[in-house]
Amino acid sequence: GENVEQHPSTLSVQEGDSAVIKCTYSDSASNYFPWYKQELGKRPQLIIDIRSNVGEKKDQRIAVTLNKTAKHFSLHITETQPEDSAVYFCAAIAAGNKLTFGGGTRVLVKP
Amino acid sequence: DTGVSQNPRHKITKRGQNVTFRCDPISEHNRLYWYRQTLGQGPEFLTYFQNEAQLEKSRLLSDRFSAERPKGSFSTLEIQRTEQGDSAMYLCASSLAGGPSTGELFFGEGSRLTVL
Repeated sequence: GENVEQHPSTLSVQEGDSAVIKCTYSDSASNYFPWYKQELGKRPQLIIDIRSNVGEKKDQRIAVTLNKTAKHFSLHITETQPEDSAVYFCAAIAAGNKLTFGGGTRVLVKP
Repeated sequence: DTGVSQNPRHKITKRGQNVTFRCDPISEHNRLYWYRQTLGQGPEFLTYFQNEAQLEKSRLLSDRFSAERPKGSFSTLEIQRTEQGDSAMYLCASSLAGGPSTGELFFGEGSRLTVL
């Protein structure tokens, strides 16, 4: 089955700086890669996703890149703000059935 | 609130007892998923339904766990003879019929289980 590795497990950045989270996946058939944000005590919520036919996608301050050859994808948050502090999860899916999640990255934005 | 609803939100039980969690998905969603999340970890897949049919169960899922979705609407997850290692947040999620890659996977707030 699919295996998703996520790094780093914690990330501390100064407000205004950029944050980058990286994930690798094992199943070359995976074709959809969402990112979820989970605030303390809240449900995971989708913030951005990318499909295998696209190399990069951007939505305001967040962007995701995908390298299918290397089987890795990354989340980039620019101009970080305190409200970006949360746990971020990457995920991958093959054959449209179930998402496999990475272990999560706890991001702390220091004012 | 028309999102995914789960109850109870928190359950404390003694080892050996049975517990049942309920999930009400978004009404037009055919797919329903159960995940388990322990502190500091990502959600771990347990099982999923397409309407009332249970299509996949994780190989890691003990036979003490059973899930149902009898009418293709709400779902229940029962854990029999609970163990301390079952303590976790149980997350339910739903999506359109094609699965998460065709439409967003929406999560509920979760049911937190504490086994004493």
